[in-house]
Amino acid sequence: SQTIHQWPATLVQPVGSPLSLECTVEGTSNPNLYWYRQAAGRGLQLLFYSVGIGQISSEVPQNLSASRPQDRQFILSSKKLLLSDSGFYLCAWNPPRGVGNTIYFGEGSWLTVV
Amino acid sequence: AQTVTQSQPEMSVQEAETVTLSCTYDTSESDYYLFWYKQPPSRQMILVIRQEAYKQQNATENRFSVNFQKAAKSFSLKISDSQLGDAAMYFCAYRRGGGGADGLTFGKGTHLIIQP
Repeated sequence: SQTIHQWPATLVQPVGSPLSLECTVEGTSNPNLYWYRQAAGRGLQLLFYSVGIGQISSEVPQNLSASRPQDRQFILSSKKLLLSDSGFYLCAWNPPRGVGNTIYFGEGSWLTVV
Repeated sequence: AQTVTQSQPEMSVQEAETVTLSCTYDTSESDYYLFWYKQPPSRQMILVIRQEAYKQQNATENRFSVNFQKAAKSFSLKISDSQLGDAAMYFCAYRRGGGGADGLTFGKGTHLIIQP
């Protein structure tokens, strides 16, 4: 069966420091991968998606970037964090021709920028 | 652009009773999918139920069922025999069909409280 993992689960970082959140999917190949952010009291916002290695599409301009160095690995990064980057980050995946186009989510990562 | 609206920020129901969460959406697409996700205090997003727009039959998963009204662009979630473990944020979501990499468009969520 397919599983998705992301880490770290919780992160407290000072303003101006770098960020790296990692996500891996197991049990499938060539998945579509996504990074979402959920700010406090708000809904989910799609940040990036990827259809293959090295292929990244950004949905909103921001201080963050994403990379996909391997088929089932998706990384969210920042060179210098801002206070506004605080939030709950969710990695997600779906098969490229998945049944019902369902998107499945990881456990999430809490980022607090101080 | 597609939009999803959940007009109930919070709902409360007595344990063992039935509750309905509302969702409306706006799209010009004919091929799409609708979802309800549950987000408990752990914050993980858990799929509750899925509906394909081309199917007329309403989806059902155990105590969870939907009322899909395509013409009205309405997609409500009914939870029967509510249990304490159902307490969570519930998000309605839309995804365009076609097998592409489009993400989900979410509503703002409904906070469901279960009264013991």
